[in-house]
Amino acid sequence: QKEVEQNSGPLSVPEGAIASLNCTYSDRGSQSFFWYRQYSGKSPELIMSIYSNGDKEDGRFTAQLNKASQYVSLLIRDSQPSDSATYLCAVNRDSGYALNFGKGTSLLVTP
Amino acid sequence: GAVVSQHPSRVICKSGTSVKIECRSLDFQATTMFWYRQFPKQSLMLMATSNEGSKATYEQGVEKDKFLINHASLTLSTLTVTSAHPEDSSFYICSAWEASGADTQYFGPGTRLTVL
Repeated sequence: QKEVEQNSGPLSVPEGAIASLNCTYSDRGSQSFFWYRQYSGKSPELIMSIYSNGDKEDGRFTAQLNKASQYVSLLIRDSQPSDSATYLCAVNRDSGYALNFGKGTSLLVTP
Repeated sequence: GAVVSQHPSRVICKSGTSVKIECRSLDFQATTMFWYRQFPKQSLMLMATSNEGSKATYEQGVEKDKFLINHASLTLSTLTVTSAHPEDSSFYICSAWEASGADTQYFGPGTRLTVL
């Protein structure tokens, strides 16, 4: 069973701080990595995708990938209370398009 | 971005009845759709992969005779939960893969199923 592991949290950060979310995965064949945000009772919303080692920045979000360490992270700069949600790490399965999800990290940004 | 809809958004049914959930890609063609299930405080678990014009591929432990999937067109996949029981109560979410090759899945808004 291919695994995607995340710290469940909750991770609490003050407004304006940097939130750092981490994820490890077990399938070395994975090529595509995604971060989704999920609000309670809602479906996941894509935040970032990353496919190559290194950093990828999009606005306040930066995804980091290290395939050798099988590690992917998400940094959220200038965190806002509206960023409070569960962040799901997802990794493609079996070189295909279906995704394995981690259990998610709950983020709480306090005013 | 691309839009995927699901209907109904919420359904409550009695034990033993069947429930059909529709997943539609509204502005793109999806040769492949996925059905996920999410129990409270848990992550999304893939149930099955739905391919247009062919039989669905089910994940280990998912009963294909209980969860019937039909992907009759490039824009519609349906999931029917047959003889639903309280343990089938969950949040069912579909996603669609755009046929043009964009490496992105688009998720539907989900269907909350409660079986009494």
